[in-house]
Amino acid sequence: GAGVSQTPSNKVTEKGKYVELRCDPISGHTALYWYRQSLGQGPEFLIYFQGTGAADDSGLPNDRFFAVRPEGSVSTLKIQRTERGDSAVYLCASSVSSHGELFFGEGSRLTVL
Amino acid sequence: DQQVKQNSPSLSVQEGRISILNCDYTNSMFDYFLWYKKYPAEGPTFLISISSIKDKNEDGRFTVFLNKSAKHLSLHIVPSQPGDSAVYFCAAIISSNTGKLIFGQGTTLQVKP
Repeated sequence: GAGVSQTPSNKVTEKGKYVELRCDPISGHTALYWYRQSLGQGPEFLIYFQGTGAADDSGLPNDRFFAVRPEGSVSTLKIQRTERGDSAVYLCASSVSSHGELFFGEGSRLTVL
Repeated sequence: DQQVKQNSPSLSVQEGRISILNCDYTNSMFDYFLWYKKYPAEGPTFLISISSIKDKNEDGRFTVFLNKSAKHLSLHIVPSQPGDSAVYFCAAIISSNTGKLIFGQGTTLQVKP
């Protein structure tokens, strides 16, 4: 596809479970970002990758959250021991360079029961 | 601490009239500001931006004004169209913090036919 693709679009899980959210960026985009949007709020920065490495992970709320981008393309956001407060839309964005325009995916809606 | 604030959660405007969306920020280190538009079940899409060295940027029906002394920016849409109905997010960035956009809470614009 031409845009940023995120899967699953919806995920319902139980408290304490492990969750993985996937992001497939636009081909050729070296920069990839994860944001989280809670109800009634704007997107909140989580982590930024330049290539394979996490250039800035200062937005990850705690050590239950982890993200990887092993080959510099697809990224996976991993959440361990999910809590109800983790319920949100997780947005992925990519850009052609670290200073380029961000293109967002449609998001993965996570609901923790 | 909300560094970027959109104090109006919603705005309703008649088609053909002007829509004015406002945004305030607190961090004087921000040097670039952006507006994003979001339709339901879609990711945010870039609309228009302005550098802190300018006070106005215009793109078709959309104009962004920046008042640095007041730490305030606004988005003007003239004339407003029903297709403009969406959530509008103001975002700010410190250019050296690549990709780390700080978003406001969003304003839902409804343009009535």
